[in-house]
Amino acid sequence: DAKTTQPNSMESNEEEPVHLPCNHSTISGTDYIHWYRQLPSQGPEYVIHGLTSNVNNRMASLAIAEDRKSSTLILHRATLRDAAVYYCILSVMDSNYQLIWGAGTKLIIKP
Amino acid sequence: EPEVTQTPSHQVTQMGQEVILRCVPISNHLYFYWYRQILGQKVEFLVSFYNNEISEKSEIFDDQFSVERPDGSNFTLKIRSTKLEDSAMYFCASSEALANTEAFFGQGTRLTVV
Repeated sequence: DAKTTQPNSMESNEEEPVHLPCNHSTISGTDYIHWYRQLPSQGPEYVIHGLTSNVNNRMASLAIAEDRKSSTLILHRATLRDAAVYYCILSVMDSNYQLIWGAGTKLIIKP
Repeated sequence: EPEVTQTPSHQVTQMGQEVILRCVPISNHLYFYWYRQILGQKVEFLVSFYNNEISEKSEIFDDQFSVERPDGSNFTLKIRSTKLEDSAMYFCASSEALANTEAFFGQGTRLTVV
């Protein structure tokens, strides 16, 4: 019952920007879009979240399409430490804002 | 920086035995969660807990599972009679609010049922 679709893996060069796409065509107006990442052998780590407007924080930027059916996580300058699995997740109001996880995108950073 | 701590980091148990996984959420957080991740698979929601009761649970969280907040700091997940398929990483998380907020995750407990 995954509500998000992401590429299985992506590669990027170190010190270049990375754009990680996510489709969530069944999103409803009250569902939040969250991004978490999981470094090898660690627990998930919050990256960013938003509802309708684009968001920026110290880790990344989140660009949300006008129809909210897709979003893009932007890492402005990838480092080797950004190699992780990135999860695009909906926080669904109908399920008490439970995080509905997908399979994620494995981001590989090439030196 | 405040963090969620989980103990033990690794637990090996025999099939049919009871296990208790322990978590200390961030102190001012009100919402608590358990997730699991079978090796090589995605993270799966188990249960959320607020105001000393379960607020949501998944189909995975059957009668073999229970959660408790026995005191003001600990949050535990009990599996009554473990099965081989319960082998997984179990993550505890906590958050200040229900929506529009971030959840903080612990480093996980690796449960191995033999």
